Amino acid sequence: NAGVTQTPKFQVLKTGQSMTLQCAQDMNHEYMSWYRQDPGMGLRLIHYSVGAGITDQGEVPNGYNVSRSTTEDFPLRLLSAAPSQTSVYFCASSYDTGASYNEQFFGPGTRLTVL
Amino acid sequence: GQSLEQPSEVTAVEGAIVQINCTYQTSGFYGLSWYQQHDGGAPTFLSYNGLDGLEETGRFSSFLSRSDSYGYLLLQELQMKDSASYFCAVRDRGGYQKVTFGIGTKLQVIP
Repeated sequence: NAGVTQTPKFQVLKTGQSMTLQCAQDMNHEYMSWYRQDPGMGLRLIHYSVGAGITDQGEVPNGYNVSRSTTEDFPLRLLSAAPSQTSVYFCASSYDTGASYNEQFFGPGTRLTVL
Repeated sequence: GQSLEQPSEVTAVEGAIVQINCTYQTSGFYGLSWYQQHDGGAPTFLSYNGLDGLEETGRFSSFLSRSDSYGYLLLQELQMKDSASYFCAVRDRGGYQKVTFGIGTKLQVIP
């Protein structure tokens, strides 16, 4: 199993550009999520999904869109990049048995710089 | 909403024991988990406490007291490779998997 994969690993954008960060998992996990990590801020939840066709907002959703058309894929779209979106982005997935917490598996991250 | 507090930095000697504390304030509490992250790497899961008490996994243990809104991660027989950031995370009432992370504690293990 490849686990959770993310592409690209690094990306530089200009202000106003749009792009999609890709995330895929091959563990048949129901739950997938996107976090951003900034120095001194920990991991902050952007959007999450509990299954194909179901998404919801996290703590910092503004400027980002998501969709979940398949169990495996959960892309994150930046609509119009801003310097404040410079960050490291992590995708994570886990089983969601509806009974207890299950460990989240994180991808390697995408390091995004917006100029 | 949720807020968590943990120390920003801790230094400990190789072979020693270190405790990283986490206090939380939540509108509803459903469990506390711990993750480790090495510099430049991705977070990896260490433990989860849904009920009061101690959970042990090898050299790592995690403790929860729901009445005190407090938990800690205990690392024994410290090794240089334990130098990393450690995050506590509380489970949200919004779903079984939805968690809020603390800002992390950077542990430096010195010889």
